Amino acid sequence: GESVGLHLPTLSVQEGDNSIINCAYSNSASDYFIWYKQESGKGPQFIIDIRSNMDKRQGQRVTVLLNKTVKHLSLQIAATQPGDSAVYFCAENIRTGGFKTIFGAGTRLFVKA
Amino acid sequence: EAGVAQSPRYKIIEKRQSVAFWCNPISGHATLYWYQQILGQGPKLLIQFQNNGVVDDSQLPKDRFSAERLKGVDSTLKIQPAKLEDSAVYLCASSAQGSGNTIYFGEGSWLTVV
Repeated sequence: GESVGLHLPTLSVQEGDNSIINCAYSNSASDYFIWYKQESGKGPQFIIDIRSNMDKRQGQRVTVLLNKTVKHLSLQIAATQPGDSAVYFCAENIRTGGFKTIFGAGTRLFVKA
Repeated sequence: EAGVAQSPRYKIIEKRQSVAFWCNPISGHATLYWYQQILGQGPKLLIQFQNNGVVDDSQLPKDRFSAERLKGVDSTLKIQPAKLEDSAVYLCASSAQGSGNTIYFGEGSWLTVV
């Protein structure tokens, strides 16, 4: 069935360290993947995306890696800051005639000062 | 650029009552989504519109939930009658037409059913 899952529900890192958030997906028809950040009381905010014809994409302090062989997606945050504390969701775009975007359950990132 | 606007932000109702949420998407965005987010879970798609037509409502509980986007811009999501398990955040989002376009979310409408 369609599912996007995460390996760890919570992640705690020291300020300044790098964070890695992992995500597994199961739908081979997915052609586009997105990472969102959701702070308490707010809607999800776009961080970075990657298309299925790529295996890596870099943004400002963030990198997304896509491994289609094992259907795995990861978000790397460099030099994690207290403001990075939030829940992170991976989402996949599944083509179903049209398309729809399916979200995983999320990983809560805690940054220790 | 103005973001996705939603109202009301918070609503508390008793079970079996009705409630309606309103959404104004980003100007020019053809695709509009309503997601339900239960505490501790990821957003679940309820319904997706392309202009004023429904392209996916497979997870919308149609016996109690309804949504419309009559003029292809604003949208309303209604719940009648509400159940306790409907307590959640209702997120509206929009994107430009087509797959692979960033989905932008509103701040959400928080519903508590007591």
